[in-house]
Amino acid sequence: NAGVMQNPRHLVRRRGQEARLRCSPMKGHSHVYWYRQLPEEGLKFMVYLQKENIIDESGMPKERFSAEFPKEGPSILRIQQVVRGDSAAYFCASSPPKGPYNEQFFGPGTRLTVL
Amino acid sequence: GENVEQHPSTLSVQEGDSAVIKCTYSDSASNYFPWYKQELGKGPQLIIDIRSNVGEKKDQRIAVTLNKTAKHFSLHITETQPEDSAVYFCAASGYSTLTFGKGTMLLVSP
Repeated sequence: NAGVMQNPRHLVRRRGQEARLRCSPMKGHSHVYWYRQLPEEGLKFMVYLQKENIIDESGMPKERFSAEFPKEGPSILRIQQVVRGDSAAYFCASSPPKGPYNEQFFGPGTRLTVL
Repeated sequence: GENVEQHPSTLSVQEGDSAVIKCTYSDSASNYFPWYKQELGKGPQLIIDIRSNVGEKKDQRIAVTLNKTAKHFSLHITETQPEDSAVYFCAASGYSTLTFGKGTMLLVSP
């Protein structure tokens, strides 16, 4: 049973470019969460999605960041016009369709570097 | 919102010793407390969790205790081994989202 998959594992972007991070949840899971980890910090919640719905985006910056989880395909975290402060590790987690929703399994992360 | 404090930030022990990591939380509505282990360059791995209707849970060399009245919970690792070296995160949750502590870097020396 494959775990949570994320790609790319490493992404380098120049300031002003767009970054797209992809996440495929564990087989059978339909809830996806995105977290950001800055160096020497814990993980910070960004957004919680179900298929075709954003459930909670209270941790998402108001500008430049967006997320989606379409009916088909992976969840996408999109960062427009990246700045150096966006450099971080971005982790995706998934949970079973009927809960418990806080029992979450994490992917290997995407490490974004903004030059 | 929820706030989770974790101590210590670093912990060095000799192989075979025990290690204890402590966390406190602020939101009395939180009822789920997982612990994650993160190795360098990898994602967090769920190693043990506890829900608020249980005071203690054990899985081989690791155990977690919860004191809801005091709003704190702890991770205990006995007979530590070098492969236990990693960063450990505690978290607290009510329904869905997890609020994490800042992590403890555990170093187990042979």
